[in-house]
Amino acid sequence: TQLLEQSPQFLSIQEGENLTVYCNSSSVFSSLQWYRQEPGEGPVLLVTVVTGGEVKKLKRLTFQFGDARKDSSLHITAAQPGDTGLYLCAGARSYGNNRLAFGKGNQVVVIP
Amino acid sequence: EAGVAQSPRYKIIEKRQSVAFWCNPISGHATLYWYQQILGQGPKLLIQFQNNGVVDDSQLPKDRFSAERLKGVDSTLKIQPAKLEDSAVYLCASSPLQGRGTYEQYFGPGTRLTVT
Repeated sequence: TQLLEQSPQFLSIQEGENLTVYCNSSSVFSSLQWYRQEPGEGPVLLVTVVTGGEVKKLKRLTFQFGDARKDSSLHITAAQPGDTGLYLCAGARSYGNNRLAFGKGNQVVVIP
Repeated sequence: EAGVAQSPRYKIIEKRQSVAFWCNPISGHATLYWYQQILGQGPKLLIQFQNNGVVDDSQLPKDRFSAERLKGVDSTLKIQPAKLEDSAVYLCASSPLQGRGTYEQYFGPGTRLTVT
């Protein structure tokens, strides 16, 4: 059973379009992280959200943590080809425990 | 600051052979992780070290996988003997903090293992 469900698994859009991907769980997390992974590379941390309802922005990327700290979304505005990659969400179940549970990822392809 | 280093980047072996991967974390990072990432999946934690002690190895298949972190710095992960289903990318990550707070894990580029 996957602790974190990410949807959609695959998304292909044109450059300039907006997109939203989701990370859902029935479990509560003390914090949730989003990573981007490009082919042949390890995941790179984009953001950490901690507080329920928290919204963080990173240039054209907007991350939101659900009020109940069970889900999160990533919205990309005016997507660019450089945004192509596998977006992974990872949740930490308890404070003081750095163990992360990863979802399967959202594969995003931005077509020029 | 140098990132997490891993070697080799690619390895092809036959089933039942042995293989070892090496990881050098970011200097000063006390916590080190080994993950297995099968194609189409997210990373799955195999083992977590705090300095040279094991914190969590509950998902490590101990009948064939072993890992050590001598002197609390670099680490090796070994598979003996390998099975076809071990084909995956093996990622090493390190973190500067263990305790309360939010934690950032820094990943290496991974070792892609193909078992034929």
